[in-house]
Order: sequence, then structure tokens, then C-alpha cells
Amino acid sequence: EADIYQTPRYLVIGTGKKITLECSQTMGHDKMYWYQQDPGMELHLIHYSYGVNSTEKGDLSSESTVSRIRTEHFPLTLESARPSHTSQYLCASSESEGRQETQYFGPGTRLLVL
Amino acid sequence: AQKITQTQPGMFVQEKEAVTLDCTYDTSDPSYGLFWYKQPSSGEMIFLIYQGSYDQQNATEGRYSLNFQKARKSANLVISASQLGDSAMYFCAMRELSGGSYIPTFGRGTSLIVHP
Repeated sequence: EADIYQTPRYLVIGTGKKITLECSQTMGHDKMYWYQQDPGMELHLIHYSYGVNSTEKGDLSSESTVSRIRTEHFPLTLESARPSHTSQYLCASSESEGRQETQYFGPGTRLLVL
Repeated sequence: AQKITQTQPGMFVQEKEAVTLDCTYDTSDPSYGLFWYKQPSSGEMIFLIYQGSYDQQNATEGRYSLNFQKARKSANLVISASQLGDSAMYFCAMRELSGGSYIPTFGRGTSLIVHP
């Protein structure tokens, strides 16, 4: 069973606030990912990381930023939240990259920006 | 263009019946991987099954099997003996080589409702 954690699970916040969504995994996986998912829709990759000090932007343009200072930790930050950021954010990790590599997902953070 | 297409927004199936969820994909890469995930209403994504592009046999995992038709570029998920707990969103995904990395792409999902 995968050990990947996200906090908070739910967040309601006002426009303009800075927020950080936490993601941690205890599997020692090198690759980590952040996805944004609107209700009933597909997942969009917004950031990923190959390992410590590596971060890349995904397919979906995002105003968020990420950091990877430790293998197990991959936080996502929004400097100034807006209602358009309301969505579910899913963190995932995989041991390495490759076409067969399975991603393990956290439980998600549901963000509502008022 | 959509890389992963799931044409069924919603499916209904009676408990204990089998159901097939459709997935077609588009890639020019000969080496790719196909995945199915289940997403219950609680939100987490649960890995179900994997099929590699070079695998000769269809993948199976318990009640899940993947009907892989390479020439048609389809990778349909078959759930046998449906259970009420199978009610969820199901996503098909593909990993192909893009810009030197295997980046996963997800379809829009199919909502499955299993009724008694």
C-alpha cells in the first residue's frame, strides 16, 4: 500500500491569501507530481519533479510554484489565491520514470477560494 | 488532439454483471504504457491495472482485465461480477515518451454506477 499524504484535505480561503498545499511520501520515490482536477473532469499535470532540486512545469499553465528540497516532500504554493484556483489538487509519486512505472496518489486537497 | 479518449461519460450496470469501459489512445511512440485508475467519491486515485505496448497478453488483476487491441489503439477495462463498491469514476491513462520523459496523460473519465 502506498504511503503518500496530503494536507489539508479541505481548505476554504479568501481571495488574495497565500496558501501551501503539503505532500509527503515515505516510499523514497524520486519522481513526484502535482495534478489539478475539476469535478468530474480529467487530471491536468501542473508540476513534476525528478528528484531533489528538480522541478518542471506540466502541461497545464499554473500560477502555483513548487519546491523539492527533500526527497519525501513536494509542497505546492499559491502566492495569491483566486476563485479560479478552486479545484482538487492531487499529489502523486513514482519510484522512477518509465512507461511501466505506476504512480501512487495521495488523498487530494479540495480547495475552495471565495 | 486528445491523447486519451473515454467516450462514455456514464455507465450503469447491475450488481454481479460484467461491464466494459472504453478507452482509445493516440500515440506515435512504439513504447508506451496504459493504466486504469479508480477514483471513488472520496477523491483518491487507486491504481487498477497496467498494460505495456509490447505485452503479448492482456493484463488481468483479479476482477479487472484489460482488452488490449493494439491495432485499434484501444485499451478497454472489463470489470467482471460488478460490486456496489465498484461505483466510482474510472480513468484511463497513458505514459509515452515526450521531451525525454515518460509523462502520463489522463482521459476525462467514465462514471460507473453499480445498482442492486
